[in-house]
Amino acid sequence: AQSVTQLDSQVPVFEEAPVELRCNYSSSVSVYLFWYVQYPNQGLQLLLKYLSGSTLVKGINGFEAEFNKSQTSFHLRKPSVHISDTAEYFCAVSEQGAQKLVFGQGTRLTINP
Amino acid sequence: GAVVSQHPSWVICKSGTSVKIECRSLDFQATTMFWYRQFPKQSLMLMATSNEGSKATYEQGVEKDKFLINHASLTLSTLTVTSAHPEDSSFYICSARDWEHQGYGYTFGSGTRLTVV
Repeated sequence: AQSVTQLDSQVPVFEEAPVELRCNYSSSVSVYLFWYVQYPNQGLQLLLKYLSGSTLVKGINGFEAEFNKSQTSFHLRKPSVHISDTAEYFCAVSEQGAQKLVFGQGTRLTINP
Repeated sequence: GAVVSQHPSWVICKSGTSVKIECRSLDFQATTMFWYRQFPKQSLMLMATSNEGSKATYEQGVEKDKFLINHASLTLSTLTVTSAHPEDSSFYICSARDWEHQGYGYTFGSGTRLTVV
């Protein structure tokens, strides 16, 4: 069965600084990978997803992620963060051919002025 | 784009009563819907997967008699928490897949915060 590990539970960053949120997955088959953002008391909004093709995926709000099959990673990056990026970020994986979406533990991104 | 509407957004109920949460796909037909539970400052835990017209598949450890899931149409799934107790208080989120237009995309509802007093 697939699993996801988000290595950092909290990441504090100053405004306009770059940020990387780390995600590693485990699966015995090919996978699809996702990053979601959750604001307080709200559902999840898709930032980006990797299904196939180019390993560098660009998403909304200036975020991008790179799929690294050899390292089984899918780290999320943004070159310059804003106060409005303060939220919880979840990495998720779905095995090809399966219906389930399994989430990592989440990373709380806090942007300091 | 695909939109999933979830109602109510919050509900308070007395211990021992039942609560129904609705999840609707507004602009697409959702053959598969998912129900998640999220405790404060924790991740989403999949409770069950429902396919339209068939019984839901529950994850290990989830009481199917307590959390009743109905997916009677291609646009509506409901989760009923029966005989709710304070430990059932949580944030419940539904998700749907639009296989025809999104393939492997998942769309989430805005969540329901349930408080059992």
